[in-house]
Amino acid sequence: GEDVEQSLFLSVREGDSSVINCTYTDSSSTYLYWYKQEPGAGLQLLTYIFSNMDMKQDQRLTVLLNKKDKHLSLRIADTQTGDSAIYFCAEKDGGSQGNLIFGKGTKLSVKP
Amino acid sequence: KAGVTQTPRYLIKTRGQQVTLSCSPISGHRSVSWYQQTPGQGLQFLFEYFSETQRNKGNFPGRFSGRQFSNSRSEMNVSTLELGDSALYLCASSLDHINTGELFFGEGSRLTVL
Repeated sequence: GEDVEQSLFLSVREGDSSVINCTYTDSSSTYLYWYKQEPGAGLQLLTYIFSNMDMKQDQRLTVLLNKKDKHLSLRIADTQTGDSAIYFCAEKDGGSQGNLIFGKGTKLSVKP
Repeated sequence: KAGVTQTPRYLIKTRGQQVTLSCSPISGHRSVSWYQQTPGQGLQFLFEYFSETQRNKGNFPGRFSGRQFSNSRSEMNVSTLELGDSALYLCASSLDHINTGELFFGEGSRLTVL
């Protein structure tokens, strides 16, 4: 079945760039997403990319999609302590279900 | 406008009991999805409702059920609770039956089963 994999932890220094990586298996996925979860809160959509795009930029966020390798990345420029959170990669089930399939999340820690 | 509201935020139950969780979507949103979040399994899709009809269902036993009302509010019910049902249950709403998948999540209902 479909699966989304991401590394569990990432630690960076304030001001550096963070790159969170994700791989997925469903080649028919139409959309891929990055969600952010802060402690005690629900998930917040950060950005999404349509599968026919290879890059999307939104202020400090850059999403890169390599459809051939089924690899998605999220780059956060000038990472701040407020960016500390868990980041989830998700794909839209390309089959009839259409629900989102999430990775287990990458916990980003930003050190001052 | 108000976000997705889930009640209760926290609850403690014992094995064998049943629980009902409530979700009020963003005004105008007609689709409601439910996810279970645990440290071990991450986020797992439970079901999705649109126009009072269950559209999709994840791989959960029949003890997990839900419904949606005409005002788009949704409830999920878990019967005969097991210890493994302890989790954060997240509700998400979207404008329509999952199109772009832009989901707006509530803060969740944290269920502890003793």
